Amino acid sequence: EPEVTQTPSHQVTQMGQEVILRCVPISNHLYFYWYRQILGQKVEFLVSFYNNEISEKSEIFDDQFSVERPDGSNFTLKIRSTKLEDSAMYFCASVPASSYEQYFGPGTRLTVT
Amino acid sequence: AQTVTQSQPEMSVQEAETVTLSCTYDTSESDYYLFWYKQPPSRQMILVIRQEAYKQQNATENRFSVNFQKAAKSFSLKISDSQLGDAAMYFCASSDSNYQLIWGAGTKLIIKP
Repeated sequence: EPEVTQTPSHQVTQMGQEVILRCVPISNHLYFYWYRQILGQKVEFLVSFYNNEISEKSEIFDDQFSVERPDGSNFTLKIRSTKLEDSAMYFCASVPASSYEQYFGPGTRLTVT
Repeated sequence: AQTVTQSQPEMSVQEAETVTLSCTYDTSESDYYLFWYKQPPSRQMILVIRQEAYKQQNATENRFSVNFQKAAKSFSLKISDSQLGDAAMYFCASSDSNYQLIWGAGTKLIIKP
């Protein structure tokens, strides 16, 4: 069964560094999402992406964040200058055209030191 | 804006017994979807059950069923014959026509052997 994959599974970075989190959605899916979950807290929506552009973004998704789908398969989340409070699990999800169900990747655990 | 509320931070149940996790939501959308996700210690997000708001019939998936009360905006999850593997965080979530998920704070389910 096709799965959403995310790499790396765990990323440790120093404050101020740029990180790129990668996701490979299921191939025929059309809608893509990034969520984050700070340890012990609820999951928060970051951004949705459709037709090669951002369709919605939350207040969290400020100028430090960007998303791209550079090659039609990968879907990346970039954080330009990481802060301690960016430490969280980051989940990618995708939705097929014929459904509303979000398929989640296993997450990337980002630790900013 | 949509909100999702889970009022039980933690629930415990004896193995083989039944437990109900509560969820209420608020939305101005006429067309929306409701979900329960399970998050084990691995932190992977696993879909347990889903419900389309336009369907009156409560969704069931094996030992998992929901009690969907649309007028009361309530969406509780019932787990029958609880098993040790059911121990996890359970998140209630809703989505609108953009499929963006809004999450509750989660309920930690403990299974007593």
